[in-house]
Amino acid sequence: DVKVTQSSRYLVKRTGEKVFLECVQDMDHENMFWYRQDPGLGLRLIYFSYDVKMKEKGDIPEGYSVSREKKERFSLILESASTNQTSMYLCASDDYLGYNEQFFGPGTRLTVL
Amino acid sequence: GIQVEQSPPDLILQEGANSTLRCNFSDSVNNLQWFHQNPWGQLINLFYIPSGTKQNGRLSATTVATERYSLLYISSSQTTDSGVYFCAVDSGTYKYIFGTGTRLKVLA
Repeated sequence: DVKVTQSSRYLVKRTGEKVFLECVQDMDHENMFWYRQDPGLGLRLIYFSYDVKMKEKGDIPEGYSVSREKKERFSLILESASTNQTSMYLCASDDYLGYNEQFFGPGTRLTVL
Repeated sequence: GIQVEQSPPDLILQEGANSTLRCNFSDSVNNLQWFHQNPWGQLINLFYIPSGTKQNGRLSATTVATERYSLLYISSSQTTDSGVYFCAVDSGTYKYIFGTGTRLKVLA
């Protein structure tokens, strides 16, 4: 079974702090994704990566950066957390070979005070 | 970009009832998935179904790609079916686009 894990289920940070969210997948997938989910807005793509050290902006990249130094690990970084970044953050991975069923981690609920 | 619309936005059922959830999309797609998000926020894969029909227990799904819609059927609903159901489509850009979901509540 594909397993996608995220470093924290719940996280509370203060405004201005630097925040790291980590995601690890164990199925040797090429692609990894970070989404945020807010009530009434569904899931929105922040960044994705289709290879080590490669990254592409999604629909809402402002205020975020990412890092992918190893194939299995994809990190989301909030350089200076703000209250409007309070949200549920979901990591996903898939193997784009034309058939790309996407698998999700359990999510990190981040609160910025 | 491609638009994804799900209906109904909210649904309340008595246990044992059947339901149909719909996903319309505005352009041709390479991939389509249905997910169930449980009360703890985990997104669980239900079906990968860019075309055709699949069944898994009480759940089944049909995608008619030429008419740009997909249906998720839930039969004999149970309280554990409660949660949010998402449809997501990919038009070949590496990226899935998600609908805003159908929130289902099944009453005992």
